[in-house]
Amino acid sequence: ELKVEQNPLFLSMQEGKNYTIYCNYSTTSDRLYWYRQDPGKSLESLFVLLSNGAVKQEGRLMASLDTKARLSTLHITAAVHDLSATYFCAVGRNRDDKIIFGKGTRLHILP
Amino acid sequence: GAGVSQSPRYKVAKRGQDVALRCDPISGHVSLFWYQQALGQGPEFLTYFQNEAQLDKSGLPSDRFFAERPEGSVSTLKIQRTQQEDSAVYLCASSEPRGHMNTEAFFGQGTRLTVV
Repeated sequence: ELKVEQNPLFLSMQEGKNYTIYCNYSTTSDRLYWYRQDPGKSLESLFVLLSNGAVKQEGRLMASLDTKARLSTLHITAAVHDLSATYFCAVGRNRDDKIIFGKGTRLHILP
Repeated sequence: GAGVSQSPRYKVAKRGQDVALRCDPISGHVSLFWYQQALGQGPEFLTYFQNEAQLDKSGLPSDRFFAERPEGSVSTLKIQRTQQEDSAVYLCASSEPRGHMNTEAFFGQGTRLTVV
């Protein structure tokens, strides 16, 4: 059974600091997604990672994928308050197209 | 429209009432997913369609839940005899079919169901 675990589940950090959110998954997968969700809103796609060693960056966020370790990271550089949200990692497989989500990391950035 | 559209946005149902939630996927998207998101939790997979075929319904929590996509476009999630534990946000997502390299799933705004 495919399971996705994120840590930490809650993170409070100061503006200007760097931090990393970790996502582990239990079985081989073909796609790794990162989504952002603001309170009361839907899910906004941030990154789709397809291959081992893939790295994508958008602004202060950078995502990477290590398929051998079944690990993805979302790194936040010099955090700003606007990045406060819940971040979800999700994993997809070609053989059944199901996308399984982690429980999310609630990020609160203090001014 | 350009995105996934869901209606209604909010629904309050009395316990025991039947409800129907609608999803209009992005035009041309073959794959359609339904998820249930309880407060403070991650989305939980319910069911998946490819065109009109329901390929996976393993996440439907009980036989009170039923989904259809008769013409391979609009989908409806129906919940019969609603219970309080059904209260959640129901999210619909669509994507291009398997085999496309960038099989990104786009989510709708969701329907917030409250059963009283």
